[in-house]
Amino acid sequence: AQSVAQPEDQVNVAEGNPLTVKCTYSVSGNPYLFWYVQYPNRGLQFLLKYITGDNLVKGSYGFEAEFNKSQTSFHLKKPSALVSDSALYFCAVRANTGFQKLVFGTGTRLLVSP
Amino acid sequence: SAVISQKPSRDICQRGTSLTIQCQVDSQVTMMFWYRQQPGQSLTLIATANQGSEATYESGFVIDKFPISRPNLTFSTLTVSNMSPEDSSIYLCSPERGVTEAFFGQGTRLTVV
Repeated sequence: AQSVAQPEDQVNVAEGNPLTVKCTYSVSGNPYLFWYVQYPNRGLQFLLKYITGDNLVKGSYGFEAEFNKSQTSFHLKKPSALVSDSALYFCAVRANTGFQKLVFGTGTRLLVSP
Repeated sequence: SAVISQKPSRDICQRGTSLTIQCQVDSQVTMMFWYRQQPGQSLTLIATANQGSEATYESGFVIDKFPISRPNLTFSTLTVSNMSPEDSSIYLCSPERGVTEAFFGQGTRLTVV
């Protein structure tokens, strides 16, 4: 069975500082990994995905994520945080063997202070 | 990315009533997924809907409570039946565009009073 862990309920960072939102996963076979962001009263917006290839994936709004197979992690990063990055972030995984459902982590609230 | 239109965007409903949520996609998709996001929680898959066949429900979700229609390859509806306050959630549709894609509608914020 697939699972995703986001160990931090909330991450606090000052504007201009780098940010990391952690995600680890468990899946049979190779994973497809996704990050989404949810702003208040909004739906889920796609940020980036890892399918295959380079371990460092670049996405929307300056975000990137690094796939680490040995650590089964897919941490979301940004070199310089903005106050407007404050939102709820979800990591999700799907196995690449046939069609498998998308499984979400519990979410991490990012709070960027001015 | 797909253009996904979900209606209504929000609603406040009386307990015991039903609400039908619509999801329209700008292109044909084989499968449509419906998710629920309860307050302060993550997304949980309710069911997967294929055209021309009954939806497949996840554990804990039943057709009588969450009937789904899939009349064509660009449209689906989810009905939340006989609502109670515990059904207050955000409901999201997600069209299947291949296993490497996963986009979502804006969601329907449902409050049951």
